[in-house]
Amino acid sequence: GAVVSQHPSRVICKSGTSVKIECRSLDFQATTMFWYRQFPKQSLMLMATSNEGSKATYEQGVEKDKFLINHASLTLSTLTVTSAHPEDSSFYICSASALDGQPQHFGDGTRLSIL
Amino acid sequence: QKEVEQDPGPLSVPEGAIVSLNCTYSNSAFQYFMWYRQYSRKGPELLMYTYSSGNKEDGRFTAQVDKSSKYISLFIRDSQPSDSATYLCAMSRSGGYQKVTFGTGTKLQVIP
Repeated sequence: GAVVSQHPSRVICKSGTSVKIECRSLDFQATTMFWYRQFPKQSLMLMATSNEGSKATYEQGVEKDKFLINHASLTLSTLTVTSAHPEDSSFYICSASALDGQPQHFGDGTRLSIL
Repeated sequence: QKEVEQDPGPLSVPEGAIVSLNCTYSNSAFQYFMWYRQYSRKGPELLMYTYSSGNKEDGRFTAQVDKSSKYISLFIRDSQPSDSATYLCAMSRSGGYQKVTFGTGTKLQVIP
């Protein structure tokens, strides 16, 4: 149980393109999902907390207009990287918890490369 | 000072060895403690989840939490080459809906 699916797994696109990443909870409903960014050989950095039906909560230093988050249903959250540039290239990972008090389960991540 | 400190390794051991991975933390409000395993280019996979102090065992894995020392450990018995991965400790003040703070991860290599 508690499977989180992320799509796509790999994106390569030109600078200036907007890229949408989907995160789905497959066998449970997730009121809250989390979006992380991971640089090579570094740990996960929380970008934002995605709340179903309301605005996301962004961590300090994360541009909300750059990283748009939509959590329109209890099983889907999307992260859109708008007007992506090479410095946005990274590994983006989402997570969700089936119940409060239960640990977060992670998707397999999306490797984004901006040329 | 980081909230969670973890030796980045790399740690290289022979197959069959007992592996000890550790993290220290500074925030006494942390009550939930997790260990995740991450293979290259994959998302973290939950291995162990404990609440407060004590030990928890699951197969070859044992997690220990000592809140008085602000120290957590993961032991892997009879290590296998398939255990080669990066191990991340993580902790939070409360469960799933709350922000989780991760260690930097320890890279483990088990040599056949």
